[in-house]
Order: sequence, then structure tokens, then C-alpha cells
Amino acid sequence: DGGITQSPKYLFRKEGQNVTLSCEQNLNHDAMYWYRQDPGQGLRLIYYSQIVNDFQKGDIAEGYSVSREKKESFPLTVTSAQKNPTAFYLCASSTRTTNEKLFFGSGTQLSVL
Amino acid sequence: GQNIDQPTEMTATEGAIVQINCTYQTSGFNGLFWYQQHAGEAPTFLSYNVLDGLEEKGRFSSFLSRSKGYSYLLLKELQMKDSASYLCAAPLSSGSARQLTFGSGTQLTVLP
Repeated sequence: DGGITQSPKYLFRKEGQNVTLSCEQNLNHDAMYWYRQDPGQGLRLIYYSQIVNDFQKGDIAEGYSVSREKKESFPLTVTSAQKNPTAFYLCASSTRTTNEKLFFGSGTQLSVL
Repeated sequence: GQNIDQPTEMTATEGAIVQINCTYQTSGFNGLFWYQQHAGEAPTFLSYNVLDGLEEKGRFSSFLSRSKGYSYLLLKELQMKDSASYLCAAPLSSGSARQLTFGSGTQLTVLP
């Protein structure tokens, strides 16, 4: 079955530590996205990628980094520079970036120890 | 600028009809999406309106008025499983790409 897979479901970060969230899709989608969701709030765009080896900052990129070495994979690293990382992180993909519906992964809940 | 507003919470009774409104201000409008999100889960696509009018899909319908910057999601014959957050989203203009901007979501509680 085609889909988008995020792992892990839950992740804990110690202060000063970098952590990486995995996102893999087998939908053959060109575009991939990372969103952050805080309780009672909508989704905010962190980074997006329209094609392999290219990515762009979204609205809240500070303290985060990404890579897009393969079409199927778009990992997100939450660096120690992100001072308030506790949130629900959602990865998504689409066939192209303009007016196409998003397919979401099941999310990763990141908490700080 | 780009902004999307929707009510924070709504409550309705099982079997009833509920309308969730969404207003937006965005340049270069090109379609509006509705997603459903259960707590701790991924959002799932419900509808996409690009032309004015009502689109019906079973118990769910979505309406758009581009001149008024207004949309609503209509849920009929409410079921307990419809208790979820409903997110309104529209593409914004950002450099060379157009990305979705999401509203904060409307948390719908369906009571027995």
C-alpha cells in the first residue's frame, strides 16, 4: 500500500541534543513538507521541498534543518538551537506544490526531558 | 497579507446538522481545502473548492464564496465519530511556490 510513514511516534529530547525525525513516502510525490502543530493551534510550515536536493524555508525554520537526498525521504533535524521544540510534527507530501491536496504521515510527538 | 479565521470550538448533538465557517484574506486566491483531524492523528482530506458554490460528498458539504472570502463545511446526520478538529486551509503566495496556510482549527464535540 502506498503511503507516508513517520517515525518514531514519540521522541524525547534532552537539553542541548539534536534529534532527527524520519519521513518516508512511496507515493512517488515530488513535494514534501514538514509542519509543526502546537496544542489548539493550526499547522505551521517549517520546511518544504519541491524536488530532490532542493528545499526551502517555511514560516518557522529557525532551529530546524532538513535534507532531501532521495525523492522518498525528507528527514527533519530539531537542533539544540530550537528552544521550544515540544510539539506534534507532521510530514506531508503532494504531487506538486501548487493546489494539490496533502497526504500526511501519522505524526511524531516530540517532548523535552 | 494572508490570514485564515475559524471558530475555536463548536458543540452539536448526534443526528443534528452543524456548519463550520471559515473566512480568509489572501492575495491570489486559488482554492480552499478542508481537513479533518482526530486528536493525535494526521489530518485527512475532506474537500477542495476552487469555484463558488456548494460541493456535496455524502454527509459532508463544502461551500465557497470567493467574493466574500468565505467558506463553510456542513456536516449532516452527525455521528459521535465526527468529533474532531476541522482545519480550513488555503494556498498563500510565497516566493515562487504557493503553500497552504492553515487556520487554527475548529474543535467539534458531538454529544449523545
